[in-house]
Amino acid sequence: GQSLEQPSEVTAVEGAIVQINCTYQTSGFYGLSWYQQHDGGAPTFLSYNALDGLEETGRFSSFLSRSDSYGYLLLQELQMKDSASYFCAVVDSNYQLIWGAGTKLIIKP
Amino acid sequence: SQTIHQWPATLVQPVGSPLSLECTVEGTSNPNLYWYRQAAGRGLQLLFYSVGIGQISSEVPQNLSASRPQDRQFILSSKKLLLSDSGFYLCAWSVRQNYGYTFGSGTRLTVV
Repeated sequence: GQSLEQPSEVTAVEGAIVQINCTYQTSGFYGLSWYQQHDGGAPTFLSYNALDGLEETGRFSSFLSRSDSYGYLLLQELQMKDSASYFCAVVDSNYQLIWGAGTKLIIKP
Repeated sequence: SQTIHQWPATLVQPVGSPLSLECTVEGTSNPNLYWYRQAAGRGLQLLFYSVGIGQISSEVPQNLSASRPQDRQFILSSKKLLLSDSGFYLCAWSVRQNYGYTFGSGTRLTVV
């Protein structure tokens, strides 16, 4: 079957750096996406990796290793507003988007 | 710029009643459209997607149906709601299939 695994919850301190991992097992692979969702809100698109390596967008970076079926989202200089759930999602060989269950990021002052 | 509108924001419906949720996209043509459901504290479940007018793909057999009567309009319907239909319903669009979704603000449906 197809699956994405990410931690259910991660806790970090304001101003610190946190990494949210995502491992996937899918029938084929076209790309890995990350979305942010605040409580009660809709998900918003953060990043997309189709090739190995690190993509940086401001305080957020996303990494992909296709050989390891692994990626991560790196958040730097954490702010309280970064408290949210983060979802990884993979496009498989049928061009379907498979979602992880989400990681709740808790930030403490 | 492109915008997506989804309404209503909240809805409380009795069991057995019909449902119609509407989603419209502005500022783009021939978008890929999606309906998702999210249970509280859970991930997203794809319900339907559409790559064009009248083209609907269903991912999960259920009590719901979808239609795309116009290029930028996507409707989620049910003839008779069940308690298990409660959840957070999200409409989304993308230019490329399954890449870079933009979500609507969602409808929180409670079936009582």
